Amino acid sequence: DGGITQSPKYLFRKEGQNVTLSCEQNLNHDAMYWYRQDPGQGLRLIYYSQIVNDFQKGDIAEGYSVSREKKESFPLTVTSAQKNPTAFYLCASRFSEAGNTIYFGEGSWLTVV
Amino acid sequence: GQNIDQPTEMTATEGAIVQINCTYQTSGFNGLFWYQQHAGEAPTFLSYNVLDGLEEKGRFSSFLSRSKGYSYLLLKELQMKDSASYLCAVRGSNTDKLIFGTGTRLQVFP
Repeated sequence: DGGITQSPKYLFRKEGQNVTLSCEQNLNHDAMYWYRQDPGQGLRLIYYSQIVNDFQKGDIAEGYSVSREKKESFPLTVTSAQKNPTAFYLCASRFSEAGNTIYFGEGSWLTVV
Repeated sequence: GQNIDQPTEMTATEGAIVQINCTYQTSGFNGLFWYQQHAGEAPTFLSYNVLDGLEEKGRFSSFLSRSKGYSYLLLKELQMKDSASYLCAVRGSNTDKLIFGTGTRLQVFP
């Protein structure tokens, strides 16, 4: 099946720990994105990548890091520097041509305990 | 700055019609998208407008006026399963960034 796969679905993190959220797509999409959504809020862009080995900061990149070593993979690391990481994290991807819509993965819930 | 405004909540009755408005102020414009998001799930794509006018897709239609920075999503023959949040998103001058509004939570009652 084609699509965007995020894992894990649910993750608990202790304060001071780094955690990595996985995002894999087999749609041959060029661009990949990470968004954060807080309860009752809209989506805020963390990082995005237009091509392999290149990525740009979004609006709330502090405390997060990413890599894009392969076209199909765009993992997000939530570092201990992120002071309020409890949220719903969404990975998305699209073809780079103008007008192409973004498609989302199922999301990952991260809770700090 | 860049800003997208939507009403926070709306209610409607099953079988009725509801219009969800979205106004935007962005650096450039390269398209407006509407997504549906059920609680705890990922957003799913509903519609895309880049030129002025109405785009119809089944029970859902979306309208755009670029000169007014305004769009609406029209839902007809409402069903209970339409209860969800509806997100308006705009692609500005940077074509790889999609800016989202906070979403409109729609509740459909019998």
